[in-house]
Amino acid sequence: EAEVAQSPRYKITEKSQAVAFWCDPISGHATLYWYRQILGQGPELLVQFQDESVVDDSQLPKDRFSAERLKGVDSTLKIQPAELGDSAMYLCASSSSRGSSYEQYFGPGTRLTVT
Amino acid sequence: AQSVAQPEDQVNVAEGNPLTVKCTYSVSGNPYLFWYVQYPNRGLQFLLKYITGDNLVKGSYGFEAEFNKSQTSFHLKKPSALVSDSALYFCAVRPLLMDTGRRALTFGSGTRLQVQP
Repeated sequence: EAEVAQSPRYKITEKSQAVAFWCDPISGHATLYWYRQILGQGPELLVQFQDESVVDDSQLPKDRFSAERLKGVDSTLKIQPAELGDSAMYLCASSSSRGSSYEQYFGPGTRLTVT
Repeated sequence: AQSVAQPEDQVNVAEGNPLTVKCTYSVSGNPYLFWYVQYPNRGLQFLLKYITGDNLVKGSYGFEAEFNKSQTSFHLKKPSALVSDSALYFCAVRPLLMDTGRRALTFGSGTRLQVQP
């Protein structure tokens, strides 16, 4: 069964350092999402891509976060500089734009700890 | 703006007993509704969805959910709980019409289900 791949699974970094996360969606899924899940809360959207274009980045802290999906396949989320409050699980999800398939499929996540 | 409420932080049930995890939502227009399950240090796993049609939807692992439009609820149910069902459960909503192309889900805060042997 196809899965969303993410790496690394765990990342520990010091505040003010740069950190990057990678996501490879399910093959053929045109829509890709990055969510942030703070411990004890539900995931919240950071950015949504349709192919290589950003559809929604209204909740992305653009002063320190950036995301790209240059060829419309895999994606990278970057934080620079990292802050203590960025400690969270970063989840990537993908969905198909075709037919009646509305559910999103999630990767295993990257757990970020900022010290 | 849409929102989801999961009023119970934790639900405890004995193995073999029926379980219910509650969810209410607020959205403009007709909703798409979803349930996801999360095991420790893992991503979210899709359980079931309501898009249209029959108010009772069946999903993975014997779970089902009932859509109630008048009460704006979408409670998750299972007739007989297993210890392996112990996990964190999230309800999510998305409006039916999003002409901007936005498809992001709005999640509840989650309910931890603990099934005791």
